[in-house]
Amino acid sequence: AQKVTQAQTEISVVEKEDVTLDCVYETRDTTYYLFWYKQPPSGELVFLIRRNSFDEQNEISGRYSWNFQKSTSSFNFTITASQVVDSAVYFCALSGAQGGSEKLVFGKGTKLTVNP
Amino acid sequence: GAGVSQTPSNKVTEKGKYVELRCDPISGHTALYWYRQSLGQGPEFLIYFQGTGAADDSGLPNDRFFAVRPEGSVSTLKIQRTERGDSAVYLCASTLGTTGAELFFGEGSRLTVL
Repeated sequence: AQKVTQAQTEISVVEKEDVTLDCVYETRDTTYYLFWYKQPPSGELVFLIRRNSFDEQNEISGRYSWNFQKSTSSFNFTITASQVVDSAVYFCALSGAQGGSEKLVFGKGTKLTVNP
Repeated sequence: GAGVSQTPSNKVTEKGKYVELRCDPISGHTALYWYRQSLGQGPEFLIYFQGTGAADDSGLPNDRFFAVRPEGSVSTLKIQRTERGDSAVYLCASTLGTTGAELFFGEGSRLTVL
């Protein structure tokens, strides 16, 4: 069975601080995909990034960066110099490429509050 | 429209009533997903379609829930004999259907069962 754990329920930081959101996953698939989604107060889930299991290169997009480590089954997300607009709930998710189902399994989310 | 459209955005009903929630995916997207999100929780998978057929319905909680996608585009999630525990936001997402493709979500239908 696939499982995603986001141990941090809520994080509160002050603007311009760096913050890392943790994600640990479990899967028996050898090929799988990892995702991060952002859910602002408006409610709509917004796609941030996808990584496949064969690509362990870290990725940076502006103030966002992602650290994928298969050895620890982790896919952590760092926001550098956080801003108030980053306040949202962030979800890590996993989908397997085998087993006949493409369903995306989500973690419970981490609520990030960035205070001015 | 360009995005996934869900109607109604809000639905209040009484316990025991029948409810239909509609999802209009992005044009050309072959795969369509339904998720349920309770307050403070992550989205919980219900069912997904590839074209007209349900490729995986393992997340439907019981036989009061079913979904259809008769022409491979619009989908309807149907809930019979609603219970208070069905109250949640029901999210629909669509994708191109290729392995590992990102899901595009609608804004959800908030269902409240009194």
